[in-house]
Amino acid sequence: EVQLVESGGGVVRPGGSLRLSCAASGFSFEDYGMSWVRQAPGKGLEWVSGINWNGGSTGYGDSVKGRFTISRDNAKNSLYLQMDSLRAEDTAFYHCARGGYGDYKGSSLDFWGQGTLVTVSS
Amino acid sequence: EIALTQSPGTLSLSPGERATLSCGASQSVSSSYLAWYQQRPGQAPRLLIYGASSRAAGIPDRFSGGGSGTDFTLTISRLEPEDFAVYFCQQYGSSALTFGGGTKVEIK
Repeated sequence: EVQLVESGGGVVRPGGSLRLSCAASGFSFEDYGMSWVRQAPGKGLEWVSGINWNGGSTGYGDSVKGRFTISRDNAKNSLYLQMDSLRAEDTAFYHCARGGYGDYKGSSLDFWGQGTLVTVSS
Repeated sequence: EIALTQSPGTLSLSPGERATLSCGASQSVSSSYLAWYQQRPGQAPRLLIYGASSRAAGIPDRFSGGGSGTDFTLTISRLEPEDFAVYFCQQYGSSALTFGGGTKVEIK
């Protein structure tokens, strides 16, 4: 059974940093592209970032470009999101989701984690 | 970045009725790389349709997707109680993935 479990959320002050993790199991993690998608409470979905199977190709949404960094450790079956220079508008649930074989581009997101809540507030 | 606009924002229907949801793109979505997701309250999104018209594993055949280019639809042929939820379209044909704003299907 495919499972994605996020962790690392919490309350952080504006301008601060946070690192999210996503633990994957039930599939060959090293073969798949992955994405982070966020959802502000009561709002819609926003794609944040994606990464291909070996970390050699990444992409970011305009609102986080230059502030967030996606990475992965295939040996640990883990996906990460380093979030710097956080703003109030970054407050949201952050979900990791599985992309396609090899890359996050060109594929829908077929499995999702439940998400971890990030609150940016002074 | 391709912008997606979903309509209507809210659809009020009764169980057993047919639901038709629309998703319009600001530019053509390559290779029909368009997906639909369902999200129930308190749950993560669930993939329903990919490639504009292919049902994901385990999705009932009352769900169908269609369209190409810039205009796409999701149809639920006969609404079941568990279908009242929010639906999002998503394009994955460009290096920056984008989602529509969502359509809420509520019980009339």
